[in-house]
Amino acid sequence: DTGVSQNPRHKITKRGQNVTFRCDPISEHNRLYWYRQTLGQGPEFLTYFQNEAQLEKSRLLSDRFSAERPKGSFSTLEIQRTEQGDSAMYLCASSTSTDTQYFGPGTRLTVL
Amino acid sequence: DAKTTQPTSMDCAEGRAANLPCNHSTISGNEYVYWYRQIHSQGPQYIIHGLKNNETNEMASLIITEDRKSSTLILPHATLRDTAVYYCIVRGPYLIQGAQKLVFGQGTRLTINP
Repeated sequence: DTGVSQNPRHKITKRGQNVTFRCDPISEHNRLYWYRQTLGQGPEFLTYFQNEAQLEKSRLLSDRFSAERPKGSFSTLEIQRTEQGDSAMYLCASSTSTDTQYFGPGTRLTVL
Repeated sequence: DAKTTQPTSMDCAEGRAANLPCNHSTISGNEYVYWYRQIHSQGPQYIIHGLKNNETNEMASLIITEDRKSSTLILPHATLRDTAVYYCIVRGPYLIQGAQKLVFGQGTRLTINP
């Protein structure tokens, strides 16, 4: 399978814990995006990278959130001191510079 | 905010064509119309996109009106597996700052009935 992959698919954590998600984009896609989707809503943009550079961040990305793409390939999204309001599906997408975004299956986070 | 308006829900009989409308009356001349769908608990799946001309691929057809203020996604022979939320998204070209992100609205929940 050469699509976007995300790990883990599900994560249950207690409030106050830190969690980290990983996204592996389609090979040779230089752009990588993170979105968040809460129940009953459409996905909302969080941030995107071109190669290793983080070029845009949404206001939704509070200081407890940090995303990295150190070598311009896979990316990680970390949430520190999780809150119940962080419970959502976290989606990753990738694209070439001028092409369509393709999404992964998502990581569903539940904060107890 | 999303720049599109879609019906909240639609039903279609299996084997019939499903026609999903989308209004985007404020679309700019260089903005594209994209369609994605999301089957329950999965990531959004790209379907098709277009600028001015009608487009067709193996999944669907996209009909854009001449004034570009609305469009219709057509699934020619709907199956039960086409049951999903369908999102119509307007986005600018990649070179414009801020145009890279997709802005999703509520979408249309399409139910295909046997």
